[in-house]
Amino acid sequence: AQSVSQHNHHVILSEAASLELGCNYSYGGTVNLFWYVQYPGQHLQLLLKYFSGDPLVKGIKGFEAEFIKSKFSFNLRKPSVQWSDTAEYFCAVVIRGNQGGKLIFGQGTELSVKP
Amino acid sequence: EPEVTQTPSHQVTQMGQEVILRCVPISNHLYFYWYRQILGQKVEFLVSFYNNEISEKSEIFDDQFSVERPDGSNFTLKIRSTKLEDSAMYFCASRGTSGSYEQYFGPGTRLTVT
Repeated sequence: AQSVSQHNHHVILSEAASLELGCNYSYGGTVNLFWYVQYPGQHLQLLLKYFSGDPLVKGIKGFEAEFIKSKFSFNLRKPSVQWSDTAEYFCAVVIRGNQGGKLIFGQGTELSVKP
Repeated sequence: EPEVTQTPSHQVTQMGQEVILRCVPISNHLYFYWYRQILGQKVEFLVSFYNNEISEKSEIFDDQFSVERPDGSNFTLKIRSTKLEDSAMYFCASRGTSGSYEQYFGPGTRLTVT
C-alpha cells in the first residue's frame, strides 16, 4: 500500500537555525506532493505543493521543498526559522489519476522553535 | 478569501448515539473529503465524494458512516452509533478541478465519545 514517512517526530531548534524535515513516499508512479502546516489551535494550511516543472518549489513564509524523484523524497527546508514557525508539519501525497484524489499523509513532525 | 467551514467545533456524545458533523465546502469546488486525526496519530483519509456519490472510501469508513450533500452547500458526515474509538478530530476538505489536486481544509470538529 502507498505510504508516506516523515523521519522526525519532534524537532527542537533555536531561532535562526536552519530546518530540514524529511519526507519519503512509497509509490512508483506519478504523484503530486504537498506540505501542510498546522499552527497550534488552527486548521491545516497549505505551505507548498509540487505537481510538475521545477522540482524545487517555494512556498509561503520562506519555506521551500525539493522533489527528488529517484529518492522518492520531498524534503522541506527553511534557512532560518522563527519562533512563529512552531507548528506541526505534514507531508502528503496524491496519486495522479486516482479518481478521488485522496491525500495520503505522513505522521507529522512537530517543530518547536525556542526564542 | 473563500474557506471551508465546519460545525460544531466540538461535539461530545455518548457511546451508541448518532452524530452529524457538518461542513460547508468552498462554493465552486466539486470534490469533497472527510479525514480524521486521532490524538497523537496521523491524519487518515475516510471518504471522497464527487458528483453526488462516494468515489473512494477507506477501511475505516464502514457501515456506521455515511456522507451526504443534502443541498447545494452542505456536506455532512454521519456516524450512526458512535464508539469510544471514534473520538478524534474530523476534518472536511474540498478541492476544485486544478491539476494540482490541492485541497482546502476546514478547522475541524473535535468529537469526544464518552
